[in-house]
Parts: sequence; structure tokens; C-alpha cells
Amino acid sequence: DGGITQSPKYLFRKEGQNVTLSCEQNLNHDAMYWYRQDPGQGLRLIYYSQIVNDFQKGDIAEGYSVSREKKESFPLTVTSAQKNPTAFYLCATRGGGRGGSPLHFGNGTRLTVT
Amino acid sequence: RKEVEQDPGPFNVPEGATVAFNCTYSNSASQSFFWYRQDCRKEPKLLMSVYSSGNEDGRFTAQLNRASQYISLLIRDSKLSDSATYLCVVNTGGSYIPTFGRGTSLIVHP
Repeated sequence: DGGITQSPKYLFRKEGQNVTLSCEQNLNHDAMYWYRQDPGQGLRLIYYSQIVNDFQKGDIAEGYSVSREKKESFPLTVTSAQKNPTAFYLCATRGGGRGGSPLHFGNGTRLTVT
Repeated sequence: RKEVEQDPGPFNVPEGATVAFNCTYSNSASQSFFWYRQDCRKEPKLLMSVYSSGNEDGRFTAQLNRASQYISLLIRDSKLSDSATYLCVVNTGGSYIPTFGRGTSLIVHP
């Protein structure tokens, strides 16, 4: 069954702790993205990766880090430097194609930091 | 000016109504365009791509106006199940970076 798996679905952490969100895909897509969504807001791009071992900062990368050691995996670490980490985090992938293909999303991880 | 703008709504319409949303984008070099649907507390799901000549999928029609830099989504014969937030997405640049609008909320009532 092809798709994107994000885990866990819900995550609770204390302030000051780093936390890593998992994103795994078996769609064989090259590009992977992390977005953050706050209530009533649109999606904001945190980091993206077009190819293994390479990634780029998005619009709101401060306080986050990523790695792309394998094509299938693009984990996101929310560090203690992120001022307001409570949000809905969405991982997406995109295949190739002229003009840009649409994004495919995982189910998301809802992070609550107290 | 935001790169991709949408009227947040909510658009509150009765069943059977026709409703239209617009989405404007600021970068004239944008290459590809999409509409997504997002239900409450769920991930966005692709509704349809938007092609230059316009395209239709059942009750949904999408159009692109490059001269005025906007895309539109028309929903005919609205159903209760159409209630959701509709997000427009614009891919821009050599890497086709997807940028989202904030979404337009649609509520279809009996």
C-alpha cells in the first residue's frame, strides 16, 4: 500500500525538549517537504529536500532541523529554540513531472508543547 | 503583499447552490496551480489541478487567468459533504516550490 506515513499522530512534550517527527514514504518521490499549520492558518514551509543528502530552508526554518539520509525518510526535529512549537505538522512528497506535480500529504502529527 | 491570497470566508451557502472562490498570486513566473480540500483536523487532499484552458471534474470547475494572476474554483449543486476548507497552491520557481493560500472555508447547510 503506497503512501506517506507520519508518526506519531499525537505528540506531547515539555518545553525545552527536542522532539523528532518521523516521515516515511514508499512512493519513490524525490522531493519531500515539511509544513506547519496553526489554527485558522495556511500551511507554512519549514524545510524541503529535492534529493537525498540535500535540503533547503523554507520560510520558517528557525528552531527546526532535518536530515535526508535516505530517499524514503525525511525526519524533522523541533528544537528547544523554536519559540512556539505547538502546531499541526504535515509532511508531503512530490514526484517529478513537467511544470510541477501536486503534493501528496501524510496524515500529520499534532505536537503539543507545555 | 502575500504571495498567494484567498478570501478566508466563511462562505455559507444552502444545498444546491453554486459557489465560487478566487485565489490571487503575486509571482507572474508561477508555473502550476492546484486546489486542495482540507477537512477539520485532517491533512489536505488534492481536489484538482488547474490547467490553462480550464478543466472540469464533475461538479467542480477550475480556471486560470494568467493575465490577472488568479485561479478560481466553481462548485455547482453544493452538497453538505462539500463543507471544508479549500486551499489553493501555486508552484513557483525552478524547483516548483509549492506555496499555499490560507484557505477559504465553505459551509453548506440544509
